[in-house]
Amino acid sequence: SQTIHQWPATLVQPVGSPLSLECTVEGTSNPNLYWYRQAAGRGLQLLFYSVGIGQISSEVPQNLSASRPQDRQFILSSKKLLLSDSGFYLCAWRGGGRQYFGPGTRLTVT
Amino acid sequence: DQQVKQNSPSLSVQEGRISILNCDYTNSMFDYFLWYKKYPAEGPTFLISISSIKDKNEDGRFTVFLNKSAKHLSLHIVPSQPGDSAVYFCAAAGGGFKTIFGAGTRLFVKA
Repeated sequence: SQTIHQWPATLVQPVGSPLSLECTVEGTSNPNLYWYRQAAGRGLQLLFYSVGIGQISSEVPQNLSASRPQDRQFILSSKKLLLSDSGFYLCAWRGGGRQYFGPGTRLTVT
Repeated sequence: DQQVKQNSPSLSVQEGRISILNCDYTNSMFDYFLWYKKYPAEGPTFLISISSIKDKNEDGRFTVFLNKSAKHLSLHIVPSQPGDSAVYFCAAAGGGFKTIFGAGTRLFVKA
């Protein structure tokens, strides 16, 4: 069966610091991968999606970036965090028309 | 531009009664609709879906209705249980790799 992992589970970072969130998927090959963010009181905002290694589509212009160095690895990064980057970050893969989500990372920028 | 809208941020229902969560969409290219349930500090989990060729899909206590002419779908939970208290996201997909989510509705089921 497929499993999706995200780490860390929680993160507190100062403004201006870098960020790296990692997501890996097991049990499937060449998955479509997604990064979403849920900000306080808001819905799920699609940030990036990838249909293959090195292929990244950005949905929202911002100071975040994504990379897919391996087939089942998806990384969300930032060189300098902003206060507005705080939120709950979710990685997902898509199969059978459905999104399957990871456990999420709670990021607080102070 | 919100393509998927959930206009009710919250809903409170008595245990045993029906919960009705609503969702509207604007893009006529959407042909597959989903509902997800989310507990705090967890990822959303799939609940039920419906294809645009249907107008109703039922799974136990959960039924989704689709009105394509009105670009409206709803999730009915009957009977509602305290464990159903969560945030419910409506989502829509069609013709591509993206699934667009609404803002969510927080459901409170009171015992």
